[in-house]
Amino acid sequence: EAGVAQSPRYKIIEKRQSVAFWCNPISGHATLYWYQQILGQGPKLLIQFQNNGVVDDSQLPKDRFSAERLKGVDSTLKIQPAKLEDSAVYLCASSKLGTGELFFGEGSRLTVL
Amino acid sequence: GNSVTQMEGPVTLSEEAFLTINCTYTATGYPSLFWYVQYPGEGLQLLLKATKADDKGSNKGFEATYRKETTSFHLEKGSVQVSDSAVYFCALSEGGYSTLTFGKGTMLLVSP
Repeated sequence: EAGVAQSPRYKIIEKRQSVAFWCNPISGHATLYWYQQILGQGPKLLIQFQNNGVVDDSQLPKDRFSAERLKGVDSTLKIQPAKLEDSAVYLCASSKLGTGELFFGEGSRLTVL
Repeated sequence: GNSVTQMEGPVTLSEEAFLTINCTYTATGYPSLFWYVQYPGEGLQLLLKATKADDKGSNKGFEATYRKETTSFHLEKGSVQVSDSAVYFCALSEGGYSTLTFGKGTMLLVSP
């Protein structure tokens, strides 16, 4: 079974530029999550989708971050404009409905200069 | 709101030593509890879980028991190996949508 795929693995940009991350979840997983992991901290939930509807985006900085999950499969997370404090690893995860077991991708490491 | 507190790392052990990583939680109801592990260069993966009080989760020689009275879920292993070197995250999930709240993580370094 293929795992959660993310790209790009690494991205370096300057502040005020934009960046987009892509995630393809495990086939059949209805729930998709984007987490932000800053160095030395645990992952923090940014947004959670159930199929293509948003379940929780309470911690998403909506003035600069946006995410979509078209057709309930792939998802894209965008940051525009980026700030220095956005430097982090962005983790995508998926799960079957109601199981509580998340499967994570390898993450996309963002460095903002 | 929900929160998870883990012991600070790094935890440095010699091979075959006994491991304990402490984890306590705060939740409004009756959460499910998890330990995730992140090996160098890899994504997080589920190590073990427990869904109700007094349950014991176990996998790969690791164990953790859900203690409601002390709101704890400490991770233990009787004899660690070099290959266990990783960052370990305690997490909880509450509610129908299974949103995970993570602790800060504890790095484990095992030397031969």
